[in-house]
Amino acid sequence: NAGVTQTPKFQVLKTGQSMTLQCAQDMNHNSMYWYRQDPGMGLRLIYYSASEGTTDKGEVPNGYNVSRLNKREFSLRLESAAPSQTSVYFCASMSSGGTDIQYFGAGTRLSVL
Amino acid sequence: RKEVEQDPGPFNVPEGATVAFNCTYSNSASQSFFWYRQDCRKEPKLLMSVYSSGNEDGRFTAQLNRASQYISLLIRDSKLSDSATYLCVVISNAGKSTFGDGTTLTVKP
Repeated sequence: NAGVTQTPKFQVLKTGQSMTLQCAQDMNHNSMYWYRQDPGMGLRLIYYSASEGTTDKGEVPNGYNVSRLNKREFSLRLESAAPSQTSVYFCASMSSGGTDIQYFGAGTRLSVL
Repeated sequence: RKEVEQDPGPFNVPEGATVAFNCTYSNSASQSFFWYRQDCRKEPKLLMSVYSSGNEDGRFTAQLNRASQYISLLIRDSKLSDSATYLCVVISNAGKSTFGDGTTLTVKP
C-alpha cells in the first residue's frame, strides 16, 4: 500500500519553464490537497479538491493550476515558473467518514533559477 | 491576521521537562483539529486528533477550547526524540485545511 505518491522528488527549472507535479493516492480518499512550504514557515494551501470533479483555491493559488484527473490523481501545474515558486511542495489526501486525517506524500523539492 | 496562529517558539527544554504549545484559530466554522509533527522538512505526520473532551496518548495531551477558539498540546517528560516542529491544523466544514506556521521544539540532554 503506497499511500500518497508524488513525482518528481526533485526538480530544477529555469524561469519561464512549465512543469506538472503529479500526485496519486491509493486509499480511496475523496479530498486531496496541494501545499507549499517555504523555509521557516508552515504549509500554505495552494488548491484543494474536496471531491472528484471539484477544485477550490487555497491561500496562495496565484501562478498555479490544478486538475483532479480522477479520484486517485490530483496534479499541480506551473505554467511559467518564477524564482518565488522555489519551495517544497506537498500533496495530501484526506480520509472520509468524519476523521479528516490527512496523509502526505514525501514532497517535491523545486528550485526555479 | 492569519487564520491559524501558533506560538512562534522556538522552545528549548531539558530532557524530562513539560512543554505546552498553543494554537488559535479564527474561523468559527472549523470542524476538525489536529497536531502534526514534522522532522527536518520531511512530510508532516499525524501526532494527535484534538477533541473538546481532550485526548491523551502516553506523554501527549491535546485539548480543544471551542469557546475561546484555541487548541493546545502538552508534552510531559520530554525526550530527545521529541525534537521536531509541531504543526496545528484546522479543517473547515467545507474541507479547507489551514496549517499554523509551526513551533520548533529542541529537547537537550
